Amino acid sequence: KNQVEQSPQSLIILEGKNCTLQCNYTVSPFSNLRWYKQDTGRGPVSLTIMTFSENTKSNGRYTATLDADTKQSSLHITASQLSDSASYICVAGTGGFKTIFGAGTRLFVKA
Amino acid sequence: DTGVSQDPRHKITKRGQNVTFRCDPISEHNRLYWYRQTLGQGPEFLTYFQNEAQLEKSRLLSDRFSAERPKGSFSTLEIQRTEQGDSAMYLCASSFQGDSNQPQHFGDGTRLSIL
Repeated sequence: KNQVEQSPQSLIILEGKNCTLQCNYTVSPFSNLRWYKQDTGRGPVSLTIMTFSENTKSNGRYTATLDADTKQSSLHITASQLSDSASYICVAGTGGFKTIFGAGTRLFVKA
Repeated sequence: DTGVSQDPRHKITKRGQNVTFRCDPISEHNRLYWYRQTLGQGPEFLTYFQNEAQLEKSRLLSDRFSAERPKGSFSTLEIQRTEQGDSAMYLCASSFQGDSNQPQHFGDGTRLSIL
């Protein structure tokens, strides 16, 4: 069964600190791994996309890694800001248009 | 900003009523998707259009749900005889077919509340 699991379910950190979110996926076939940021009441916004041949991709303070052998990905946020408070969703692409979404990690950044 | 637009943003209706949502994708995108998202969960796939053709429907899409995309531009999602379990955020996304590694661009959704 195709599925994407994310951990932790929620996380609280202090402003300025770094954090890492985890994603394990079991999809076949696998074509790409995406991370989205979703603010409360808004639609998801793409942060990074990696194909199976890419190991890392950055977007500002966000850095995603991918290990296609262990089927794991992580999203590292550097020097967190209050505006980083959101849900972060890991999505595995299975080829063509099909994607499998994780349930997300809810991040709270405190001042 | 000519992103994905959804209307209405919020809809409150009584159980048993019919509702219709509209999605206007990014103009050059020929792929359009509908998702449903409940609190604390990721989006669940409902249906997918390539141009005007509806190519895939999830088994989540019961016969009370119907989606159209006439002329391959905007799309509508209709729910007939709404039930309380239909309360959710309905998200629309679009993308360009040419590269499956392109991101989906999401609208801000229609939040449906069934009384």
